Amino acid sequence: GENVEQHPSTLSVQEGDSAVIKCTYSDSASNYFPWYKQELGKRPQLIIDIRSNVGEKKDQRIAVTLNKTAKHFSLHITETQPEDSAVYFCAARGPGTYKYIFGTGTRLKVLA
Amino acid sequence: NAGVTQTPKFQVLKTGQSMTLQCAQDMNHEYMSWYRQDPGMGLRLIHYSVGAGITDQGEVPNGYNVSRSTTEDFPLRLLSAAPSQTSVYFCASSRDRVRNTEAFFGQGTRLTVV
Repeated sequence: GENVEQHPSTLSVQEGDSAVIKCTYSDSASNYFPWYKQELGKRPQLIIDIRSNVGEKKDQRIAVTLNKTAKHFSLHITETQPEDSAVYFCAARGPGTYKYIFGTGTRLKVLA
Repeated sequence: NAGVTQTPKFQVLKTGQSMTLQCAQDMNHEYMSWYRQDPGMGLRLIHYSVGAGITDQGEVPNGYNVSRSTTEDFPLRLLSAAPSQTSVYFCASSRDRVRNTEAFFGQGTRLTVV
């Protein structure tokens, strides 16, 4: 069935450094790729998304890149800050389907 | 605009007890779903609904029932709770399947089965 693999499971960076989280999806028909941030004890919330007709999208310090050929997409956070510390989930969704397939999450720690 | 509202936030059950987790959304979303979140396993889909009167199973449906009598509500029932159902449960909704839009999550229910 559909599967999304996410790496790494944990990531520690120094404040100000960049962080990169990578996901690979199995269903070549997937065309929507959101990223969610979940702070401790809170609900997941969308931080950025990308559709399959776009290769890259930026929003201030965060960006997402998509390689459809490799079925691979990544989240990039630049100039990390302590408030970026959270669990990040990638997801994939196909056309005409309702199901989001989530990755297993990456716990990001930004060290001050 | 309340978004997606889940109740209760915390619950402790004894093995064999039954209970219903409530989920309501006020955004007129077609699609609603239930996930469970366990350490290291991400968000796993339990059941989902594409509209009132229509439900289907996700990847981990055993031990759970759902119904969708209205667009707004999508309760999750545990018929006979087991310790393996100890988890954090999230309800989510999204607008429809034609236009890819974000999933909005409820605040979660932390369930412990002893």
